[in-house]
Amino acid sequence: KAGVTQTPRYLIKTRGQQVTLSCSPISGHRSVSWYQQTPGQGLQFLFEYFSETQRNKGNFPGRFSGRQFSNSRSEMNVSTLELGDSALYLCASSFQDGTGELFFGEGSRLTVL
Amino acid sequence: KQEVTQIPAALSVPEGENLVLNCSFTDSAIYNLQWFRQDPGKGLTSLLLIQSSQREQTSGRLNASLDKSSGRSTLYIAASQPGDSATYLCAVTDSNYQLIWGAGTKLIIKP
Repeated sequence: KAGVTQTPRYLIKTRGQQVTLSCSPISGHRSVSWYQQTPGQGLQFLFEYFSETQRNKGNFPGRFSGRQFSNSRSEMNVSTLELGDSALYLCASSFQDGTGELFFGEGSRLTVL
Repeated sequence: KQEVTQIPAALSVPEGENLVLNCSFTDSAIYNLQWFRQDPGKGLTSLLLIQSSQREQTSGRLNASLDKSSGRSTLYIAASQPGDSATYLCAVTDSNYQLIWGAGTKLIIKP
């Protein structure tokens, strides 16, 4: 059974650009959640999608957005990139709705110059 | 506001020792608590999930306990091995279904 796949694994952008990250969950999983990991702030919850609906959102500015497709694949978008957006972005999938075991991808490492 | 704290921040022990990692949380209204490990530059691997109604979970050499009333969880690792070296993170699912993370314990097992 394939795990959670995140693409791209590494990317470099400049301030002001936008970026789209993709996450393919484990087959059969309907919940996808996104997290930002930085050395200073640690892991922080971004948002969670279940059956194409955003059910939960963390405390991030509106520049951070996401969506989920009918096949449960999810994308997150960050617009008008800032230096502080440099981070490892992790995606996790779960069979259940927010209280089940989470399975993580390897992450997308974003560097903003 | 839920806060999760992990102590110690780093731990270095010789191979073969049994060890305990600690996780505390400020609000007992949680749905579950999970322990993860993270290897450098990698994603997270789920180790144990304890639902709020449970007291402990075991997987191989790992045992995690949960005391919701005191806001504490411990991860016990028996007979540690160099391959156990990693950062261990705990996280609670709070009443808003959000995952709140601890800062992690960096564990080094010396051969």
